[in-house]
Amino acid sequence: AQKITQTQPGMFVQEKEAVTLDCTYDTSDPSYGLFWYKQPSSGEMIFLIYQGSYDQQNATEGRYSLNFQKARKSANLVISASQLGDSAMYFCAMRYNNQGGKLIFGQGTELSVKP
Amino acid sequence: NAGVTQTPKFQVLKTGQSMTLQCAQDMNHEYMSWYRQDPGMGLRLIHYSVGAGITDQGEVPNGYNVSRSTTEDFPLRLLSAAPSQTSVYFCASRPGTANTEAFFGQGTRLTVV
Repeated sequence: AQKITQTQPGMFVQEKEAVTLDCTYDTSDPSYGLFWYKQPSSGEMIFLIYQGSYDQQNATEGRYSLNFQKARKSANLVISASQLGDSAMYFCAMRYNNQGGKLIFGQGTELSVKP
Repeated sequence: NAGVTQTPKFQVLKTGQSMTLQCAQDMNHEYMSWYRQDPGMGLRLIHYSVGAGITDQGEVPNGYNVSRSTTEDFPLRLLSAAPSQTSVYFCASRPGTANTEAFFGQGTRLTVV
């Protein structure tokens, strides 16, 4: 089965603190890519970070880092020093490189940053 | 920099009507796809294309048709709209290289009454 699971429908975090958004995936393919997108209330999809299945190091992009644990099939997003503008829906997605490159999304986590 | 353009942005249809959601990209991307977004269910893949003339089904293809006659365009057709197709629809495209992200259009909010 091909599946992306985000188990946290909603999360709260205090401004300036770090927060981890969970994502687990299920695949038997050795080649895949993992992505995180942010969707603010305005509705657009904003790419945050990418991790390839063969990458040895965890990806980082500014305040975003991806905690990639391949054996556990998890790809959690860590946001450091949360800001009010981080309040949004966050989606984890997986691209199946050996299946036409299709991109499948999780259900999303709604993050609210408290001042 | 147009990127991925979806039209229309909003649409109301009556049950049984047909319509086409348009998607165009000007980045010469090989891959294009359509998603629908419903509350609590994330984005679900409807159809996707790996190049002109090639399409395949995603997670929820029933009730939708696609074609890819050019690299730039990837229209989504609803042949007989149903209330269950009320949703926000996103088109996305990306280049053929493996480690690149998908670029999304602004979405089309469709209501079927």
